[in-house]
Amino acid sequence: IAGITQAPTSQILAAGRRMTLRCTQDMRHNAMYWYRQDLGLGLRLIHYSNTAGTTGKGEVPDGYSVSRANTDDFPLTLASAVPSQTSVYFCASRSQAGTPDTQYFGPGTRLTVL
Amino acid sequence: GEDVEQSLFLSVREGDSSVINCTYTDSSSTYLYWYKQEPGAGLQLLTYIFSNMDMKQDQRLTVLLNKKDKHLSLRIADTQTGDSAIYFCAGLAWGYQKVTFGTGTKLQVIP
Repeated sequence: IAGITQAPTSQILAAGRRMTLRCTQDMRHNAMYWYRQDLGLGLRLIHYSNTAGTTGKGEVPDGYSVSRANTDDFPLTLASAVPSQTSVYFCASRSQAGTPDTQYFGPGTRLTVL
Repeated sequence: GEDVEQSLFLSVREGDSSVINCTYTDSSSTYLYWYKQEPGAGLQLLTYIFSNMDMKQDQRLTVLLNKKDKHLSLRIADTQTGDSAIYFCAGLAWGYQKVTFGTGTKLQVIP
């Protein structure tokens, strides 16, 4: 069982380019999340999805979009990348079965926008 | 929404105890978590405490919850170099679908 995988591991991108970060989980979790991690700011929620077919905005959604066509996949798209989107991006899924209600994280994607 | 705050950095000597502190604003938090992030990796759940508990011990880890002061702490006994990482506290409020994370505390263990 792989858990959560993210691709690519890292990417350098020119400003203005479109980029999709991929996230796949094999745990059949309903809820999935995208966070960005920046020094001194911790993890900030970009978008989330409580179940396939639904999405919601987090703290910092501007410049990002997501889709949730099925349970396993939750891609994050930057339509026109800007340097302030340079960050480490983590995808997570949440198990609501049993105790505790726990989030599982992918290994992250390091994105640099020049 | 929930605000969760932590100090950014802690340095301890190997073998000493480490105490990482966290304050939160939302008294309706149901679960409070501690996650560990090793360099270049995602976050892994270390331990958690339910809001009706004051203390939880799990091997070298002790979690203390002071609901009156909205203060959570993680004590690591006999800290080892392998404990060097960033530690995040997080809270989940009942009825919400999202977990709020603190800013993270970087623990440096000096051999």
